[in-house]
Amino acid sequence: DTGVSQNPRHKITKRGQNVTFRCDPISEHNRLYWYRQTLGQGPEFLTYFQNEAQLEKSRLLSDRFSAERPKGSFSTLEIQRTEQGDSAMYLCASSPGTSGRYNEQFFGPGTRLTVL
Amino acid sequence: GQSLEQPSEVTAVEGAIVQINCTYQTSGFYGLSWYQQHDGGAPTFLSYNALDGLEETGRFSSFLSRSDSYGYLLLQELQMKDSASYFCAVRDQDDKIIFGKGTRLHILP
Repeated sequence: DTGVSQNPRHKITKRGQNVTFRCDPISEHNRLYWYRQTLGQGPEFLTYFQNEAQLEKSRLLSDRFSAERPKGSFSTLEIQRTEQGDSAMYLCASSPGTSGRYNEQFFGPGTRLTVL
Repeated sequence: GQSLEQPSEVTAVEGAIVQINCTYQTSGFYGLSWYQQHDGGAPTFLSYNALDGLEETGRFSSFLSRSDSYGYLLLQELQMKDSASYFCAVRDQDDKIIFGKGTRLHILP
């Protein structure tokens, strides 16, 4: 396994459209996190999964955002009715399944979303 | 609210030593991590401190004082390739990872 992969790498959409991103984590990692990053800022936590269970979701996250990890492997992040403020880099990260290593996150290359 | 404070920019000379500080205020604390991010790239993990003290990994060291809610990343023998943004991150009581806004490190030849 070569690491965390994300698709697509770039997405341009019109305001009001729905978009879906995919993340494939490192196979033996049972934790998967989604972040959003804008220029000059750190990654902003969106949500995370332990296997297929979504354990936490940011209180700042609009209900237009939803994420799934149906079989505890890959995950999808969907944004409905996109707005220009959703334009950002969406990062996925996975971490090993032991408590002492949850802080060690392996990031994918990200999906850059541009909403016109 | 939860917050991590770190300087926005630091400048140092090639071959020198630089320290990037981080103070945090979070709901629970389960370790401080450091990440490096080059322009256009994804963050990469550098180090992790769960307990007080210094952790050394090659040219990079990281320190934690839980009583002071403070940590730092120390980079020695700076190389031009170390020019990047550096983020501190805390795992909180809900296992969320909260990142700081990042410190942009500029290295002069």
